[in-house]
Formats: sequence, C-alpha cells, structure tokens
Amino acid sequence: DAGVIQSPRHEVTEMGQEVTLRCKPISGHDYLFWYRQTMMRGLELLIYFNNNVPIDDSGMPEDRFSAKMPNASFSTLKIQPSEPRDSAVYFCASSRTSGGSEQFFGPGTRLTVL
Amino acid sequence: AQSVTQLDSHVSVSEGTPVLLRCNYSSSYSPSLFWYVQHPNKGLQLLLKYTSAATLVKGINGFEAEFKKSETSFHLTKPSAHMSDAAEYFCVVRAGEYGNKLVFGAGTILRVKS
Repeated sequence: DAGVIQSPRHEVTEMGQEVTLRCKPISGHDYLFWYRQTMMRGLELLIYFNNNVPIDDSGMPEDRFSAKMPNASFSTLKIQPSEPRDSAVYFCASSRTSGGSEQFFGPGTRLTVL
Repeated sequence: AQSVTQLDSHVSVSEGTPVLLRCNYSSSYSPSLFWYVQHPNKGLQLLLKYTSAATLVKGINGFEAEFKKSETSFHLTKPSAHMSDAAEYFCVVRAGEYGNKLVFGAGTILRVKS
C-alpha cells in the first residue's frame, strides 16, 4: 500500500486566496483525521471522519476552514480566505477502526500564506 | 480530560549512550498511550503503544517504554542511541468520547552527537 497520500506537499499563497489541501487515506481505513502542526500550538486535531461522515470538528479554528470527504478515498481541507496565521504543516491520517487502532500519517502539506 | 506533558523540549546524547525521553500523563481512566517519531520534513510514525496489557512495551528500532501508574509516567528509552534516532518524539494519549482522538505532547527534539 502506498500509505496516506497528501497533495500538494508545499503550497505558497497570498493572503485572501483560497487554499485546498487533499488527502487519500489508506484503502480500507474507516477513519480519517486532519491535523495542524505549528511551532506555537504543536499538533492539533482539526476534524475527523468516520465512514465519510464528520464526527468531531471541534478543533476547526473558525468558519474559514471547512473539510469534506465525498467518498472513502478522498478528503479535502479548504481555507477560504487564507491568512498568514494559517501557515503551518497540515497532516492527514487514517486508521482502520477506532479505539486502539494505529493512525497512519501522511507526509504533510507545508502551507505558507504571505 | 486526557493530556500528556513532555518534560524536556530538547535532549542531547552521544551516539552509543542511553536515551531517556520523559512523559507524564493525566487521565481520568486507564489511558492508551503512544510514542510517535517525526524525522525532519517527514510524517509521523508510530514507535510503540500501551493499551493496558504489559506495562513494558517494546517498539521499533530498539525503543521501549514503561507504563507506571503510580508515577503517571510513560517514559521512552533506548539502551544505545544511533545517529538515525535524531528526530522529534511525541508522547500521545488517546482521548474523546469514543477514544478516537489523539492528544499530542509538545514534543522532544532528540539530538545525537557523534
């Protein structure tokens, strides 16, 4: 298996632009997670899905952030409009089940908002 | 609420000497605990996990961790450091109503000197 795939790996954009980050989870995994990593706040869970349904979005910072999972093999995290404070590394992870199941992380997308 | 505290932000060791990365946890019930490693510009990889079985947990690359309930600790150790161990290490606790969320510590950067 190729593991969790994220694209793009790097994104540089200007303030006010829309940004879309993409994730393909490992086939057969029922859970998908979006995390954000910054120097100030460390690694934070933004939202997670179970069987394509958003379960907990309490970590989404504000309405400018939205996430979708239209099918079992694809998810997007969108920021509109983007701001410089959104600059971070965004990770996608997937797991087979809940509970003690390991989460497998993608390589991350490094976002820079100028 | 579940949380973890990593007691050292940076640890420096010489190659061939033991490694100790410290983590204390807070949990209202028996926790599930993990150690993840992140190499520069890479995603996160699971090193080991504790899920209420044996208190001494062995992981990949010679790492192990001991769960000590009396001390609320889950320290990560390795008998002999290798240059390739240089990375950032995260202590993680499972949280949320169904245990689907991971709460990350602030991370410990391990430096290995030759």
